[in-house]
Amino acid sequence: DAGVIQSPRHEVTEMGQEVTLRCKPISGHNSLFWYRQTMMRGLELLIYFNNNVPIDDSGMPEDRFSAKMPNASFSTLKIQPSEPRDSAVYFCASSLGGGSREGYTFGSGTRLTVV
Amino acid sequence: KNQVEQSPQSLIILEGKNCTLQCNYTVSPFSNLRWYKQDTGRGPVSLTIMTFSENTKSNGRYTATLDADTKQSSLHITASQLSDSASYICVVSPMFSGGYNKLIFGAGTRLAVHP
Repeated sequence: DAGVIQSPRHEVTEMGQEVTLRCKPISGHNSLFWYRQTMMRGLELLIYFNNNVPIDDSGMPEDRFSAKMPNASFSTLKIQPSEPRDSAVYFCASSLGGGSREGYTFGSGTRLTVV
Repeated sequence: KNQVEQSPQSLIILEGKNCTLQCNYTVSPFSNLRWYKQDTGRGPVSLTIMTFSENTKSNGRYTATLDADTKQSSLHITASQLSDSASYICVVSPMFSGGYNKLIFGAGTRLAVHP
């Protein structure tokens, strides 16, 4: 299994532009999570999907952020318009069930820089 | 106040030496406690996971301990190798978190192993 696949690995964009981050979870995993990591705040949960349905989006910073999971093998996180304070590493993770004792598998992340 | 606090913030040791990383948490009740290793530019990778009833778990040269009474956990690394250089993150899952395995992350300890 190739693990959780995220693209792009790096994204540099100008303030005000739309940014779309992509994630392919591990086949068979029915839970998907988007996290944001910064030096100041560490890892923060943005949104959790179970069986393609958003269950907890309380971590989504504001209306500029949106996430979708149109099917079991693909999810996107969109920021529109982007701002410099959105610069961070964004991780996608998947697990077999939201309560998996085996833990999550994280992707390698997308490093976003907004200038 | 952070619910999961780690110490030290950073640590430098010589190759071959042992070290112990600390994690104090206030999350209660909790379902499980995990230690993750995060290499630079990569996503976190699970090292150990312990339920509230377990007090030790090993994974090769990594041994995690848990004292649920004092709400402390430690990660002991034996005979360190250069490849152990990474951030080590303590993660606690609350027992009741809206029906799924919500993770609360510590800020991590950055370990550097020097030759």
